[in-house]
Amino acid sequence: QQQVKQSPQSLIVQKGGISIINCAYENTAFDYFPWYQQFPGKGPALLIAIRPDVSEKKEGRFTISFNKSAKQFSLHIMDSQPGDSATYFCAARGGNFNKFYFGSGTKLNVKP
Amino acid sequence: ETGVTQTPRHLVMGMTNKKSLKCEQHLGHNAMYWYKQSAKKPLELMFVYNFKEQTENNSVPSRFSPECPNSSHLFLHLHTLQPEDSALYLCASSQSLAIGSTDTQYFGPGTRLTVL
Repeated sequence: QQQVKQSPQSLIVQKGGISIINCAYENTAFDYFPWYQQFPGKGPALLIAIRPDVSEKKEGRFTISFNKSAKQFSLHIMDSQPGDSATYFCAARGGNFNKFYFGSGTKLNVKP
Repeated sequence: ETGVTQTPRHLVMGMTNKKSLKCEQHLGHNAMYWYKQSAKKPLELMFVYNFKEQTENNSVPSRFSPECPNSSHLFLHLHTLQPEDSALYLCASSQSLAIGSTDTQYFGPGTRLTVL
């Protein structure tokens, strides 16, 4: 059973557009929600993270929107650039043993 | 990326070979992890070590054998693997496994493993 569901699987956006990736979770014990960015040949790197006591967090062009009641959170990339082309993973941490659970990833392609 | 290093970066092995993957973290963390990353699948957690003690084995076949000699080093010993074991193997570390901790995981670049 997948604890964190991520969509879409792939996304194509024009340069300057907004990229939106969505994640949903079931376990209300989760209390930390990071997003990771992974370029080919590299390991995932932390991009931005949020705790459920806030509804939004913004860092530069990257924003997490968090809806606790719906158990959903999303990543918005404003003014998307070709350099943002990568695979993005959402994750959730918490519950028994404070484990991390990852979404299946979204491959983003930003066209020039 | 230099916080967590992995060697080798690429490995091709036959099904009868024995090889080892190495991970080293320079972040002073106490928890280390092995993940398997296959195409179009979520990251699969394999093993977790906390202060050198194994705290989790996610039903991983015995042909994968982890070793954690100290908090900075983690190995994954491989023997009699199958072609379906071909994947990117990622090592990660975090400060702790304490309940309520929100410290994140830092990943290495991975070892691309191909089993022939």
